[in-house]
Amino acid sequence: EVQLVESGGGLVQPGGSLRLSCAASGFTFSNFAMSWVRQAPGKGLEWVSGISSSGLSTYYADSVQGRYTISRDNSKNTLFFQMNRLRAEDTAIYYCAKGFSGSGKRGIDYWGQGTLVTVSS
Amino acid sequence: QTVVTQEPSFSVSPGGTVTLTCGLSSGSVSTTYYPSWYQQTPGQAPRTLIYSTNTRSSGVPDRFSGSILGNKAALTITGAQADDESDYYCLLYLGSGIVVFGGGTKLTVL
Repeated sequence: EVQLVESGGGLVQPGGSLRLSCAASGFTFSNFAMSWVRQAPGKGLEWVSGISSSGLSTYYADSVQGRYTISRDNSKNTLFFQMNRLRAEDTAIYYCAKGFSGSGKRGIDYWGQGTLVTVSS
Repeated sequence: QTVVTQEPSFSVSPGGTVTLTCGLSSGSVSTTYYPSWYQQTPGQAPRTLIYSTNTRSSGVPDRFSGSILGNKAALTITGAQADDESDYYCLLYLGSGIVVFGGGTKLTVL
């Protein structure tokens, strides 16, 4: 059974940093692209970042480019998301998501339950 | 900047058929955009329904189908049931590793 378990969310002040983790199990992690998708309160889904199966290629939405960094450790089946210079509008549930293949173009196969990030003073 | 468009809301009668669409602010959606569809009920993580235009994800009933209709991707639900009342999102691949969600469609079954 595929499982994606996010951790690391919480309350952080504007301008602060947070690092999210996603522990993956139930599949060969190193074979699949992964993504982070967020959902602000009462709003729709927003894809924010993706990473290829090897980790060599990373992609970002304009809204987070230059502030966030996605990475993965295939030896530990873990996906990471370093979020810097956080803003109030970054407040959202952040979902870890598994792709259908080594690249993310075919969309999302499985979703974690999400971790809440709140940016507020 | 390319925007992915969806109907904000739609309603269907129980047992009826509804088609939700997913378009682009400029241009036409084709299979090369690898359209996929997701269902989300309040307080829950999304659930994958359709990927690569028309392939149902594991465990998804065949009441849900995907296609290209004209210049848009489409999700058709036949024999709508009460628990189909959800938000539905499409996702398109825009190239260079970038995917974008549509704004979502709130489906009411009544």
